[in-house]
Amino acid sequence: NAGVTQTPKFQVLKTGQSMTLQCAQDMNHEYMSWYRQDPGMGLRLIHYSVGAGITDQGEVPNGYNVSRSTTEDFPLRLLSAAPSQTSVYFCASTTLAGGPRNEQFFGPGTRLTVL
Amino acid sequence: GNSVTQMEGPVTLSEEAFLTINCTYTATGYPSLFWYVQYPGEGLQLLLKATKADDKGSNKGFEATYRKETTSFHLEKGSVQVSDSAVYFCACSDQAGTALIFGKGTTLSVSS
Repeated sequence: NAGVTQTPKFQVLKTGQSMTLQCAQDMNHEYMSWYRQDPGMGLRLIHYSVGAGITDQGEVPNGYNVSRSTTEDFPLRLLSAAPSQTSVYFCASTTLAGGPRNEQFFGPGTRLTVL
Repeated sequence: GNSVTQMEGPVTLSEEAFLTINCTYTATGYPSLFWYVQYPGEGLQLLLKATKADDKGSNKGFEATYRKETTSFHLEKGSVQVSDSAVYFCACSDQAGTALIFGKGTTLSVSS
């Protein structure tokens, strides 16, 4: 199993540009999520999904869109990038069976810089 | 909502020293508690977890006990190694039991 994969690993954007961060998992997990990691802030939840066709907002959703058309994929879209979105982005997944006890599996991250 | 507070870093130790990283939580109900570790340039990986009061999670010489009376989940290791240098995050499950609420992270640096 590849686990959780993310592409690209690094990206530089100009203000106003759009892009999509890709996330895929091959563990048949129902739950997938996106976090951003900023210095001194820990990880903050952006959006999450509990299954194909179902998404919801986390703590910091503004400026980001998501969709979940398949169990495997959960892309994160920046419609008009802003310097405040400079961050490291992590995708994570877990199974919903067993509730809150489950380990979440993280991808390697995407380091995004917005100029 | 649920929240996590962990001690500020960085923590700098010599090899074989004793490590404690404090973590306290605020939550309704009975959240699960986790310690994740992030090595340089990598994503997060689960270090240990505990799912109910008085549970002790352990892995790679690290331990943490779920203390409901003090709402704490402190991370300890008796003898740290250079390879333990990383950022450590305390986390608890949210009220819905799916998302994780993270502390701000504590950077540990171990020198030989």
